[in-house]
Amino acid sequence: EIVLTQSPGTLSLSPGGRATLSCRASQSISSEFLAWYQQNPGQAPRLLIYGASSRVTGIPDRFSGSGSGTDFTLTISRLEPEDFAVYYCQQYGSSLWTFGQGTKVEIK
Amino acid sequence: QVQLQESGPGLVKPSETLSLTCTVSGYSISSVYYWGWIRQSPGKGLEWIGTIYHSGTTFYNPSLKSRVTISLDTSKNDFSLKLSSVTAADTAVYYCARQANVVVTGNSYFDYWGQGTLVTVSS
Repeated sequence: EIVLTQSPGTLSLSPGGRATLSCRASQSISSEFLAWYQQNPGQAPRLLIYGASSRVTGIPDRFSGSGSGTDFTLTISRLEPEDFAVYYCQQYGSSLWTFGQGTKVEIK
Repeated sequence: QVQLQESGPGLVKPSETLSLTCTVSGYSISSVYYWGWIRQSPGKGLEWIGTIYHSGTTFYNPSLKSRVTISLDTSKNDFSLKLSSVTAADTAVYYCARQANVVVTGNSYFDYWGQGTLVTVSS
């Protein structure tokens, strides 16, 4: 089973700042099978990025994804107030789906 | 507009079976997509439980496989989760979601989610 490790656990930044979130897989995965989600308190996760770098329709272009192999990154270029939330990466492999443990982006 | 809605008891006794249904509107579950269940324990991260395809093919999280059954009813356009022998550790918000068909789309993601339903295991 592939394990996804996200870092840091918490990121404290100011509005307008740049957020860089990491997702590391325990073994190489196909980029097509890596997705990112945003979750606000009391809400269901929302799909942001799939295929490691493809933004879902309607997601602002300040969100971008990159990476390959075992290392993937979600970048939020200029944090807006609504971006302070928890972010999860997710992968598929060998008929199993797994999520990372999440990174919380909080207001500094 | 694709919508998913979970339903079922919010309280289940230890050792009993948790049963939830996800009703899908705006899209046929007989389509190319997969349909999945995910849970989130209070204050914790997301855990994939299992997935079903309209053919009846299922995929389960190995850590839960011995206790999980997912089925679907195309006539009602819904799919269901049963988790047996529950303990307090199964207390969580349970989500249903539409999943990309990995084989057809070449991608893996959960694009539409239900609002989630809290299930508490307690006597």
